[in-house]
Amino acid sequence: DTGVSQNPRHKITKRGQNVTFRCDPISEHNRLYWYRQTLGQGPEFLTYFQNEAQLEKSRLLSDRFSAERPKGSFSTLEIQRTEQGDSAMYLCASSYYRDRNYGYTFGSGTRLTVV
Amino acid sequence: AQTVTQSQPEMSVQEAETVTLSCTYDTSENNYYLFWYKQPPSRQMILVIRQEAYKQQNATENRFSVNFQKAAKSFSLKISDSQLGDTAMYFCAFMKPGQGAQKLVFGQGTRLTINP
Repeated sequence: DTGVSQNPRHKITKRGQNVTFRCDPISEHNRLYWYRQTLGQGPEFLTYFQNEAQLEKSRLLSDRFSAERPKGSFSTLEIQRTEQGDSAMYLCASSYYRDRNYGYTFGSGTRLTVV
Repeated sequence: AQTVTQSQPEMSVQEAETVTLSCTYDTSENNYYLFWYKQPPSRQMILVIRQEAYKQQNATENRFSVNFQKAAKSFSLKISDSQLGDTAMYFCAFMKPGQGAQKLVFGQGTRLTINP
């Protein structure tokens, strides 16, 4: 297992276009998280999955954002009708629910630029 | 809601020196975890050290140690014998454990540069 994988690493899109990012977590991790990190800021929580169920969403996640995790494996984050304010690094992380140390493993992120 | 504040946007020290990064947080919870994460340029975020709030003993990991002051809600990171590879953004983070999302609340980060 090579850790948490995110694709693409970089995405440049025109305002108004739809984009989709993919995250492949560590295979035995049943918890999966999406965070957004804008320039010069710390990451902010977007949403959380336990297995295939999306159990919590931040108010940051407007109705233009949708996330899925079919079959509890990889996850996708889609942004519809992108806006310049969506430009950010989108981070995925996974963890194992029995890890009492609450350790996350982060991916390298997808950097989105909306022009 | 919990908040985490890092008041030092940037710091710079010479290689082999000791440096301390500050973090304060606000919470009404009694049981929680605190973390320091390192984010090197263009690389993934990795865990440096964690502290459980109910443990009075400060956590240490090799050259990294924390000064956890629960009453003051302060959680600073000390890096001893700093190395060029320590150059990175450092984020302090808070987590409330339990049955819910166990999400991390991050501070704004401190950009640390180790100079040769």
